Amino acid sequence: TQLLEQSPQFLSIQEGENLTVYCNSSSVFSSLQWYRQEPGEGPVLLVTVVTGGEVKKLKRLTFQFGDARKDSSLHITAAQPGDTGLYLCAGRRTSNTGKLIFGQGTTLQVKP
Amino acid sequence: GAGVSQSPRYKVAKRGQDVALRCDPISGHVSLFWYQQALGQGPEFLTYFQNEAQLDKSGLPSDRFFAERPEGSVSTLKIQRTQQEDSAVYLCASSREGGPTEAFFGQGTRLTVV
Repeated sequence: TQLLEQSPQFLSIQEGENLTVYCNSSSVFSSLQWYRQEPGEGPVLLVTVVTGGEVKKLKRLTFQFGDARKDSSLHITAAQPGDTGLYLCAGRRTSNTGKLIFGQGTTLQVKP
Repeated sequence: GAGVSQSPRYKVAKRGQDVALRCDPISGHVSLFWYQQALGQGPEFLTYFQNEAQLDKSGLPSDRFFAERPEGSVSTLKIQRTQQEDSAVYLCASSREGGPTEAFFGQGTRLTVV
């Protein structure tokens, strides 16, 4: 059973479209992170959200942590081919651990 | 080095062979993590070191998997008597301190068991 469920698992869109990726759980997390992973590389951290209801923006990317700290979303505005990659959410169950629990990932393809 | 370095990048092993995967963390980083990533999936936690102490090995799938970090720097993940289901990318990550500080990942070792 996956503790963190990501949806959709695959997304293929045209350049310029908007998209949202969801990361859901029945468990509470002390923090959630979003990573982007390119083929043959390790995940690279995009953002960490800690407070319930928190919203963070990184250029065209908007991240939100659910009020109950059980879910998160990643919204990309006007997607570009350079956004193509595997997007992973990952959570920490407690505030004093470095151990990450990952979702299964969302593969995004942005076609020019 | 500037980042986490893993070697080899690719390893093909015959079923039943023993393999050793190496991780060089960022210099001075206290915490070191190993994750296993199956094709098309997210990474799954294997084990965690703080300096030379292995504080959590709850994710190791069987007693064929063994990890060490004897001097609190370089770590080795060893898999004995490899099986086809061990085929995956093995990722190493390090962070500056214990606890929830940012973890930096290496490029991984892709293990294929034939």
